Amino acid sequence: AQSVAQPEDQVNVAEGNPLTVKCTYSVSGNPYLFWYVQYPNRGLQFLLKYITGDNLVKGSYGFEAEFNKSQTSFHLKKPSALVSDSALYFCAVRDMGSGGSYIPTFGRGTSLIVHP
Amino acid sequence: AAGVIQSPRHLIKEKRETATLKCYPIPRHDTVYWYQQGPGQDPQFLISFYEKMQSDKGSIPDRFSAQQFSDYHSELNMSSLELGDSALYFCASSTMTEETQYFGPGTRLLVL
Repeated sequence: AQSVAQPEDQVNVAEGNPLTVKCTYSVSGNPYLFWYVQYPNRGLQFLLKYITGDNLVKGSYGFEAEFNKSQTSFHLKKPSALVSDSALYFCAVRDMGSGGSYIPTFGRGTSLIVHP
Repeated sequence: AAGVIQSPRHLIKEKRETATLKCYPIPRHDTVYWYQQGPGQDPQFLISFYEKMQSDKGSIPDRFSAQQFSDYHSELNMSSLELGDSALYFCASSTMTEETQYFGPGTRLLVL
């Protein structure tokens, strides 16, 4: 079984400060991990993914995420937040182990609010 | 670059009516997924198709059905609509070789 948790419903950060949106996962095999962003009344927009290789993944709009196998985490980060980054962020996981589904499981989402 | 197209973008129906949502995947994408997102909720997987065959089934009610056509577009048919069906319905597409799903803008369905 695969599951993902986003422990924070909301993250507040001042513009220019670094931001972190947390995600932890549970899979039986190896994980495929994704981050999506959703602006109001819009579809989910792909940001980045981890499949294999370097634990630090760089994505769109200056975002990056670090895969940590020992902590089963895949936190989304950005060195300097912009007001325009304010949106809903979803983490998703796919379990590549035997019996895993190729349909990703999404987290509940974290609302990021960047204050001017 | 071409994206996933969904139509209509907004739809208002009354209880017990039917609705058909359409999804046009990114060119050369062979897999289509349907999701339902309620207010403040994460996307819930409904059903998916690969090469015009149903490939996986999630929490799709029996009142709903879907299919993928020879041109790879997909339609989600919803009958006997209930108030609780009011939600955003997303379609996503991918290829079997690439793990990333690309989402459309969604159809907002309101059932009165």
